[in-house]
Amino acid sequence: NAGVTQTPKFRVLKTGQSMTLLCAQDMNHEYMYWYRQDPGMGLRLIHYSVGEGTTAKGEVPDGYNVSRLKKQNFLLGLESAAPSQTSVYFCASRPISTDTQYFGPGTRLTVL
Amino acid sequence: GESVGLHLPTLSVQEGDNSIINCAYSNSASDYFIWYKQESGKGPQFIIDIRSNMDKRQGQRVTVLLNKTVKHLSLQIAATQPGDSAVYFCAETSLNTGNQFYFGTGTSLTVIP
Repeated sequence: NAGVTQTPKFRVLKTGQSMTLLCAQDMNHEYMYWYRQDPGMGLRLIHYSVGEGTTAKGEVPDGYNVSRLKKQNFLLGLESAAPSQTSVYFCASRPISTDTQYFGPGTRLTVL
Repeated sequence: GESVGLHLPTLSVQEGDNSIINCAYSNSASDYFIWYKQESGKGPQFIIDIRSNMDKRQGQRVTVLLNKTVKHLSLQIAATQPGDSAVYFCAETSLNTGNQFYFGTGTSLTVIP
């Protein structure tokens, strides 16, 4: 049982490049979330999903897209990366039966 | 919008002492609160939670207190150990935010051996 895993762990992009961050969970959780964490700020919700095939915007969705084609995977896409998207990105999941979220180890993204 | 904040960004305690980390929130409809611990380079880890129908909840060496009157919660760590050194976040959610969680900025706890 690996829990929540994130790929990649680190990435450096140039402005305008695109990339996809992958989150996978093997706990059969219904809910999945993408957050970003910036210095001096709390975790901010980008997008979330309440089930396979459904996604919703969070607090800071601009510049990001997501997809939940399979229950166990939640993808976060940056179509045209900007330096303001330099951050640490965390994925989380939780079952429908509880409010407790389980977090992945994070992806550190730098946009030059 | 939501506002979840911590009173102190850093806290240093001697090993063996008790630690108290505070958190304020602004949404009076908040009905569920969580404390997370985040070690350097890792994702947040669940510590303890409390619902709004409770004032106090205890875990192993940790206690969460909730004061709904002043919209304040605290995390108490008994007999603080070096392994407790980390950043601690509070988070809250309510039905009227669509079950979205809002996180505080975090308090960095340093345990002095």
